[in-house]
Amino acid sequence: KQEVTQIPAALSVPEGENLVLNCSFTDSAIYNLQWFRQDPGKGLTSLLLIQSSQREQTSGRLNASLDKSSGRSTLYIAASQPGDSATYLCAVRVGMRFGAGTRLTVKP
Amino acid sequence: KAGVTQTPRYLIKTRGQQVTLSCSPISGHRSVSWYQQTPGQGLQFLFEYFSETQRNKGNFPGRFSGRQFSNSRSEMNVSTLELGDSALYLCASSPEGFGGTSYEQYFGPGTRLTVT
Repeated sequence: KQEVTQIPAALSVPEGENLVLNCSFTDSAIYNLQWFRQDPGKGLTSLLLIQSSQREQTSGRLNASLDKSSGRSTLYIAASQPGDSATYLCAVRVGMRFGAGTRLTVKP
Repeated sequence: KAGVTQTPRYLIKTRGQQVTLSCSPISGHRSVSWYQQTPGQGLQFLFEYFSETQRNKGNFPGRFSGRQFSNSRSEMNVSTLELGDSALYLCASSPEGFGGTSYEQYFGPGTRLTVT
């Protein structure tokens, strides 16, 4: 059974810092991995999708990497802003398993 | 292109009642998935429908059911509500089903269900 873990559970940084969020999974036989952000009480917004054959994807200040062999993905956020404050979730497919998320607070 | 819409956004029901939630996917998307999100269990997969057929199902009791119509709109039904069913129910659509290589999900805002 696929287990997805996100570390840390919560993170608070000052504005402007570069930061890394981690996602690990136990079964490397995945089709893809998707990163989302969720604002309080809201739905999920897709950030990046990495296919199993890819190593990384970039969108603006965000960069996500995938290492299937070690069961890890990282989400790198450059020059963080207060508007980045949200909960970040990763999800792996087969079966769409989500991590518990990392709650990020960026302080002005 | 309009996003995924869910109705109603908020709902209060009494234990023992039943409830139906609705989800309209992005135009052209044929796959609709449902999730339950609670503080204790996080996001859990309920089921996925593709072209009116349930293709995948999570580990939930039979009180949770769904269907998909020919226009890809989907409904989820929960019968005999329990207090533990209080949650945010999220719907997501995708142009492909679970077996698609570029499966990417787009989520709606959710329906907040409170069972009293």
